[in-house]
Formats: sequence, C-alpha cells, structure tokens
Amino acid sequence: AQSVTQLDSQVPVFEEAPVELRCNYSSSVSVYLFWYVQYPNQGLQLLLKYLSGSTLVKGINGFEAEFNKSQTSFHLRKPSVHISDTAEYFCAVTPGAGGTSYGKLTFGQGTILTVHP
Amino acid sequence: KAGVTQTPRYLIKTRGQQVTLSCSPISGHRSVSWYQQTPGQGLQFLFEYFSETQRNKGNFPGRFSGRQFSNSRSEMNVSTLELGDSALYLCASSEGFTGNTIYFGEGSWLTVV
Repeated sequence: AQSVTQLDSQVPVFEEAPVELRCNYSSSVSVYLFWYVQYPNQGLQLLLKYLSGSTLVKGINGFEAEFNKSQTSFHLRKPSVHISDTAEYFCAVTPGAGGTSYGKLTFGQGTILTVHP
Repeated sequence: KAGVTQTPRYLIKTRGQQVTLSCSPISGHRSVSWYQQTPGQGLQFLFEYFSETQRNKGNFPGRFSGRQFSNSRSEMNVSTLELGDSALYLCASSEGFTGNTIYFGEGSWLTVV
C-alpha cells in the first residue's frame, strides 16, 4: 500500500515570490508520482508526473518538481507565483512498472496555495 | 479533443434515495475510474473499469457500484443515500496502462438532505 503526506495544509505567499509545496510518500514498491491542481469548483488538472529518468520534472505553468528517492519526497516548486496560481494542489502516487493498481491514485490531503498581491 | 464529461454537475437527493452519475471518457480511453472528494476524507478511490470489467476497487460499502458500457462510458450508482455521501464525485479516464496520465472531469456535486 502507498500513502502520501503533504506537509503543509495551507501556504500563503506574495505574488512573484518563490514557493515550494512539500510532499512525502511511503511505499513498499516503486512508484510513479504526480502533482495535480484543483481550481475552485473544478476537477483536477495534471501539472506534472514522474515515471523514471531525470529526477527533475518540468510541468505546465512554470512548475517543476524533484523526485528524491532516498528521502521519499516529491516537492513542487515555482520560482515566481502569480495570483492565478491560487488553488489547491494535490500530490499523488500509484505503483510503478509492473503494478496493477490501474486507475488508482493515492492522494495527499492537499495544500491550499494562496497568492496575495 | 473533448475532455472527460460528467453529468449532472449538481444534484440534491433525499436520504434513502438512490442516485446515478454518468461519465463520458476522453475518446479512445478505455479506463474509467471514480473518486469521492470530501473535506474530511479528501480524495478517495472508488473503483476502476477497463473494457467493461471492474479491475480495481476501493474501500467503500456495497451501496456504491458502477458499470462501464461497450463505448467506455461509465455510470456509478449509490443506493440508500446517507448524509455522509454528500461529496464531489470525480470521474477520470486514461488509456488504462500503468503510468498513463489520468484525466479528470469537473465532477458531480451531490448533496444529500
């Protein structure tokens, strides 16, 4: 089984400041990792995913994340945020190659990012 | 390409009733999965269907059921509704293989009164 812990439930930040949203995971097998964003009254949109290869993953809207296997972390970063980045962000995992948990993502509890002018 | 479409978007039901939610996946996607989102429990996996067969199931009571049709469209049903079933129900689709991106719809908001 897998579990995901998002270390901050809320992160306030000023516009144009950098931000890091932290995600740790636990799993007895290799995993694939994802970050999704949810804007108010909408579904989830994929920001980026890590399957294998380079541990630094670049996503949409200027976000990037770094996979750290030894620390079982997958933190999301953006060097300069905008008001429009205000949303809830979810880290998620699924078993990696050879896994059979089709369609099943295990999500963290979410981090609400609020960008202030 | 059209995204994942869910209907209805909003509905209100009374305790004890049943409800059916519908989902049309992205064209070409054979896997459809369902999630429940609540403020207290967060996002929880309900079940996943691939080519009309349930491949994976979460830890929900038997009141929650689903099915998938030959055109990959899916429905989920909740019988004997309880107040605690009030939630956002999200449908997601993918090509159905490990590592594929899972795309979500905008959800169906269910309120049980």
